[in-house]
Amino acid sequence: DGGITQSPKYLFRKEGQNVTLSCEQNLNHDAMYWYRQDPGQGLRLIYYSQIVNDFQKGDIAEGYSVSREKKESFPLTVTSAQKNPTAFYLCASSTLSSNEQFFGPGTRLTVL
Amino acid sequence: QQQVKQSPQSLIVQKGGISIINCAYENTAFDYFPWYQQFPGKGPALLIAIRPDVSEKKEGRFTISFNKSAKQFSLHIMDSQPGDSATYFCAASIENSGAGSYQLTFGKGTKLSVIP
Repeated sequence: DGGITQSPKYLFRKEGQNVTLSCEQNLNHDAMYWYRQDPGQGLRLIYYSQIVNDFQKGDIAEGYSVSREKKESFPLTVTSAQKNPTAFYLCASSTLSSNEQFFGPGTRLTVL
Repeated sequence: QQQVKQSPQSLIVQKGGISIINCAYENTAFDYFPWYQQFPGKGPALLIAIRPDVSEKKEGRFTISFNKSAKQFSLHIMDSQPGDSATYFCAASIENSGAGSYQLTFGKGTKLSVIP
């Protein structure tokens, strides 16, 4: 099956701990994205990457970090500097020639 | 600054009725306007999309109407069904400078409930 996988589906962490969310795609897409979704807020872009070993900050990058060591993988680390990390995190991918983004199933992070 | 404004925030429609969700944008450089459908606990999925050179696009029961001069676009769901109950997001994109990937700017979403 082609698509985007995110793991885990649910994640619980204590305040002050860093946590890494996984995103893998087998669509051979060059571009990958991370969004944060809060109730009533829509989707807000955290980071995006157009090519391996390169990534750009989105609208709300503070307190987050990413890496892009492989084309298929774009993990997101939520650091202890992120003031309100509890949210639903969505990963997406697209080709460089298309506007259409395909989304993964999401990871719900709860910080206790 | 919110670049894509979506209304209403929530919508209740009877089965068989027409659901209408509206969006307005500010940036005239936007060149692609998709609508995404999201069910609870799932990722959004592309429903239908339009480019500014077309005023209307229809796919089955779903139609996008686009008004370039007013910088507005809307989603119409004909013969709404309980299975259409979901959150709908409009979005707009502009090509990033350089390599060509596209950033999507989303509206805040509309929660649609279709009641029997």
